[in-house]
Amino acid sequence: ETGVTQSPTHLIKTRGQQVTLRCSSQSGHNTVSWYQQALGQGPQFIFQYYREEENGRGNFPPRFSGLQFPNYSSELNVNALELDDSALYLCASRLDRAETQYFGPGTRLLVL
Amino acid sequence: SQELEQSPQSLIVQEGKNLTINCTSSKTLYGLYWYKQKYGEGLIFLMMLQKGGEEKSHEKITAKLDEKKQQSSLHITASQPSHAGIYLCGADRAPLTFGKGTLLTVNP
Repeated sequence: ETGVTQSPTHLIKTRGQQVTLRCSSQSGHNTVSWYQQALGQGPQFIFQYYREEENGRGNFPPRFSGLQFPNYSSELNVNALELDDSALYLCASRLDRAETQYFGPGTRLLVL
Repeated sequence: SQELEQSPQSLIVQEGKNLTINCTSSKTLYGLYWYKQKYGEGLIFLMMLQKGGEEKSHEKITAKLDEKKQQSSLHITASQPSHAGIYLCGADRAPLTFGKGTLLTVNP
Protein backbone atom coordinates (compact mmCIF):
# COMPACT_ATOMS: atom_id res chain seq x y z
CA GLU A 1 0.00 0.00 0.00
CA THR A 2 1.38 3.39 -1.02
CA GLY A 3 -1.22 5.51 0.77
CA VAL A 4 -2.32 7.00 -2.54
CA THR A 5 -5.85 6.23 -3.69
CA GLN A 6 -7.67 6.93 -6.93
CA SER A 7 -11.28 6.88 -8.02
CA PRO A 8 -13.00 5.51 -9.90
CA THR A 9 -11.09 2.35 -10.75
CA HIS A 10 -12.71 2.01 -14.16
CA LEU A 11 -14.68 4.37 -16.34
CA ILE A 12 -16.32 4.21 -19.75
CA LYS A 13 -17.12 7.40 -21.65
CA THR A 14 -18.04 8.30 -25.19
CA ARG A 15 -16.15 10.58 -27.52
CA GLY A 16 -16.76 14.26 -26.83
CA GLN A 17 -17.72 13.80 -23.19
CA GLN A 18 -15.88 15.20 -20.21
CA VAL A 19 -14.37 13.21 -17.33
CA THR A 20 -13.01 13.95 -13.86
CA LEU A 21 -10.60 11.58 -12.16
CA ARG A 22 -9.71 11.89 -8.50
CA CYS A 23 -6.63 11.20 -6.43
CA SER A 24 -6.03 11.30 -2.71
CA SER A 25 -2.37 11.76 -1.83
CA GLN A 26 -0.44 10.64 1.20
CA SER A 27 -0.96 13.02 4.07
CA GLY A 28 1.59 15.81 3.98
CA HIS A 29 2.60 15.24 0.36
CA ASN A 30 2.46 18.67 -1.27
CA THR A 31 3.34 17.59 -4.80
CA VAL A 32 1.13 15.52 -7.07
CA SER A 33 1.80 14.44 -10.63
CA TRP A 34 -0.52 12.86 -13.17
CA TYR A 35 0.52 10.39 -15.83
CA GLN A 36 -1.16 8.75 -18.79
CA GLN A 37 -0.15 5.18 -19.61
CA ALA A 38 -1.30 3.73 -22.91
CA LEU A 39 -1.29 -0.01 -23.38
CA GLY A 40 2.27 -1.33 -23.75
CA GLN A 41 3.86 2.03 -23.02
CA GLY A 42 5.51 3.64 -20.04
CA PRO A 43 3.68 6.40 -18.15
CA GLN A 44 3.72 9.80 -19.86
CA PHE A 45 3.86 12.92 -17.69
CA ILE A 46 0.75 15.12 -17.97
CA PHE A 47 1.32 17.78 -15.32
CA GLN A 48 2.42 18.41 -11.77
CA TYR A 49 0.91 20.48 -8.98
CA TYR A 50 2.82 21.90 -6.06
CA ARG A 51 0.93 23.57 -3.24
CA GLU A 52 -2.19 23.91 -5.38
CA GLU A 53 -0.46 25.46 -8.39
CA GLU A 54 0.55 23.82 -11.65
CA ASN A 55 4.34 23.92 -11.89
CA GLY A 56 5.12 21.60 -14.75
CA ARG A 57 3.37 20.25 -17.80
CA GLY A 58 4.07 17.59 -20.37
CA ASN A 59 3.10 17.51 -24.02
CA PHE A 60 -0.65 17.40 -23.48
CA PRO A 61 -3.27 19.81 -24.86
CA PRO A 62 -5.14 22.33 -22.68
CA ARG A 63 -8.22 20.10 -22.57
CA PHE A 64 -6.27 18.20 -19.91
CA SER A 65 -6.51 20.30 -16.76
CA GLY A 66 -6.18 19.74 -13.06
CA LEU A 67 -6.74 20.98 -9.57
CA GLN A 68 -5.04 20.33 -6.27
CA PHE A 69 -6.81 20.96 -2.96
CA PRO A 70 -5.48 21.79 0.52
CA ASN A 71 -6.57 18.39 1.84
CA TYR A 72 -4.00 16.60 -0.39
CA SER A 73 -6.60 15.53 -2.94
CA SER A 74 -6.42 16.40 -6.61
CA GLU A 75 -8.37 16.07 -9.84
CA LEU A 76 -7.59 15.48 -13.47
CA ASN A 77 -10.19 16.81 -15.89
CA VAL A 78 -10.29 15.91 -19.54
CA ASN A 79 -12.68 17.71 -21.89
CA ALA A 80 -13.82 16.70 -25.37
CA LEU A 81 -12.67 13.12 -24.95
CA GLU A 82 -11.02 11.43 -27.90
CA LEU A 83 -10.60 7.72 -28.59
CA ASP A 84 -6.83 8.03 -27.98
CA ASP A 85 -7.51 9.21 -24.44
CA SER A 86 -8.25 5.59 -23.55
CA ALA A 87 -5.52 4.69 -21.09
CA LEU A 88 -4.58 4.04 -17.48
CA TYR A 89 -4.32 7.34 -15.59
CA LEU A 90 -1.96 7.36 -12.66
CA CYS A 91 -1.39 9.92 -9.98
CA ALA A 92 1.74 10.06 -7.87
CA SER A 93 2.42 12.09 -4.77
CA ARG A 94 5.59 13.10 -2.98
CA LEU A 95 6.86 15.52 -0.40
CA ASP A 96 8.72 18.17 -2.37
CA ARG A 97 10.59 17.46 -5.56
CA ALA A 98 13.50 15.60 -4.04
CA GLU A 99 11.55 12.69 -2.64
CA THR A 100 10.38 9.45 -4.21
CA GLN A 101 7.01 9.46 -5.97
CA TYR A 102 4.37 7.06 -4.68
CA PHE A 103 1.77 5.96 -7.18
CA GLY A 104 -1.89 5.21 -6.83
CA PRO A 105 -3.50 2.11 -8.40
CA GLY A 106 -4.74 4.09 -11.41
CA THR A 107 -8.04 4.73 -13.18
CA ARG A 108 -8.63 2.86 -16.41
CA LEU A 109 -10.52 5.05 -18.86
CA LEU A 110 -12.13 3.66 -21.98
CA VAL A 111 -13.45 6.10 -24.57
CA LEU A 112 -15.87 4.66 -27.12
CA SER B 1 13.78 15.37 -24.39
CA GLN B 2 15.34 12.48 -22.58
CA GLU B 3 14.57 8.98 -23.74
CA LEU B 4 14.97 5.77 -21.83
CA GLU B 5 15.32 2.49 -23.66
CA GLN B 6 14.75 -0.75 -21.80
CA SER B 7 15.94 -4.17 -22.86
CA PRO B 8 14.72 -6.73 -23.28
CA GLN B 9 11.11 -5.74 -23.98
CA SER B 10 9.97 -9.04 -22.54
CA LEU B 11 11.57 -11.93 -20.75
CA ILE B 12 10.42 -15.42 -19.85
CA VAL B 13 12.47 -17.33 -17.30
CA GLN B 14 12.14 -20.51 -15.33
CA GLU B 15 11.70 -20.15 -11.58
CA GLY B 16 15.04 -20.09 -9.85
CA LYS B 17 16.94 -18.52 -12.74
CA ASN B 18 18.79 -15.20 -12.56
CA LEU B 19 17.98 -12.37 -14.93
CA THR B 20 19.04 -8.83 -15.81
CA ILE B 21 17.05 -5.91 -17.20
CA ASN B 22 18.83 -2.90 -18.66
CA CYS B 23 17.85 0.74 -18.95
CA THR B 24 19.85 3.07 -21.20
CA SER B 25 19.42 6.83 -21.29
CA SER B 26 19.95 9.18 -24.23
CA LYS B 27 21.22 11.82 -21.80
CA THR B 28 23.24 11.94 -18.60
CA LEU B 29 21.53 10.22 -15.73
CA TYR B 30 21.40 12.24 -12.52
CA GLY B 31 19.13 9.80 -10.81
CA LEU B 32 17.16 6.76 -11.75
CA TYR B 33 14.12 5.04 -10.31
CA TRP B 34 13.03 1.44 -10.72
CA TYR B 35 9.37 0.58 -10.35
CA LYS B 36 7.41 -2.64 -10.69
CA GLN B 37 3.89 -2.75 -12.09
CA LYS B 38 1.38 -5.54 -12.09
CA TYR B 39 -0.61 -5.51 -15.31
CA GLY B 40 -3.06 -2.61 -15.30
CA GLU B 41 -2.19 -1.51 -11.78
CA GLY B 42 -0.17 1.22 -10.13
CA LEU B 43 3.59 1.39 -9.85
CA ILE B 44 5.39 0.02 -6.82
CA PHE B 45 8.63 1.79 -5.92
CA LEU B 46 11.64 -0.54 -5.83
CA MET B 47 14.78 1.58 -5.67
CA MET B 48 16.29 4.94 -6.45
CA LEU B 49 19.90 5.39 -7.54
CA GLN B 50 21.52 8.80 -7.42
CA LYS B 51 25.27 8.40 -7.71
CA GLY B 52 27.47 6.89 -10.37
CA GLY B 53 28.52 3.43 -9.34
CA GLU B 54 25.78 3.24 -6.73
CA GLU B 55 24.34 -0.20 -6.09
CA LYS B 56 21.29 -1.01 -3.99
CA SER B 57 19.67 -4.27 -3.05
CA HIS B 58 16.26 -5.23 -1.74
CA GLU B 59 15.63 -8.87 -1.04
CA LYS B 60 16.70 -10.64 -4.24
CA ILE B 61 16.71 -7.54 -6.45
CA THR B 62 19.88 -5.51 -7.07
CA ALA B 63 20.13 -2.34 -9.12
CA LYS B 64 23.24 -0.49 -10.29
CA LEU B 65 23.79 2.91 -11.88
CA ASP B 66 26.62 3.45 -14.31
CA GLU B 67 26.63 7.15 -15.11
CA LYS B 68 29.47 6.94 -17.59
CA LYS B 69 27.45 4.59 -19.74
CA GLN B 70 24.22 6.39 -18.93
CA GLN B 71 22.86 3.01 -18.01
CA SER B 72 21.28 1.16 -15.13
CA SER B 73 20.72 -2.54 -14.66
CA LEU B 74 18.30 -4.48 -12.49
CA HIS B 75 19.30 -7.98 -11.51
CA ILE B 76 17.03 -10.59 -9.95
CA THR B 77 18.61 -13.59 -8.29
CA ALA B 78 16.78 -16.91 -8.07
CA SER B 79 13.58 -15.56 -9.62
CA GLN B 80 10.18 -16.49 -8.20
CA PRO B 81 6.66 -16.24 -9.65
CA SER B 82 6.10 -13.24 -7.35
CA HIS B 83 8.73 -11.34 -9.36
CA ALA B 84 6.53 -11.44 -12.46
CA GLY B 85 5.31 -8.09 -13.73
CA ILE B 86 6.42 -5.06 -15.69
CA TYR B 87 9.63 -3.37 -14.62
CA LEU B 88 9.93 0.32 -15.44
CA CYS B 89 12.91 2.60 -15.16
CA GLY B 90 12.34 6.33 -14.72
CA ALA B 91 14.79 9.22 -14.97
CA ASP B 92 14.62 11.85 -12.28
CA ARG B 93 14.48 14.89 -14.49
CA ALA B 94 11.71 17.43 -15.03
CA PRO B 95 9.45 15.91 -16.19
CA LEU B 96 9.98 12.40 -14.89
CA THR B 97 10.51 10.19 -17.93
CA PHE B 98 9.88 6.45 -18.08
CA GLY B 99 11.00 3.69 -20.35
CA LYS B 100 8.42 1.46 -22.01
CA GLY B 101 8.97 -1.30 -19.51
CA THR B 102 10.15 -4.91 -19.50
CA LEU B 103 7.53 -7.61 -19.10
CA LEU B 104 8.85 -10.42 -16.92
CA THR B 105 7.19 -13.83 -16.82
CA VAL B 106 8.44 -16.43 -14.35
CA ASN B 107 7.31 -19.96 -15.02
CA PRO B 108 7.04 -22.30 -12.02
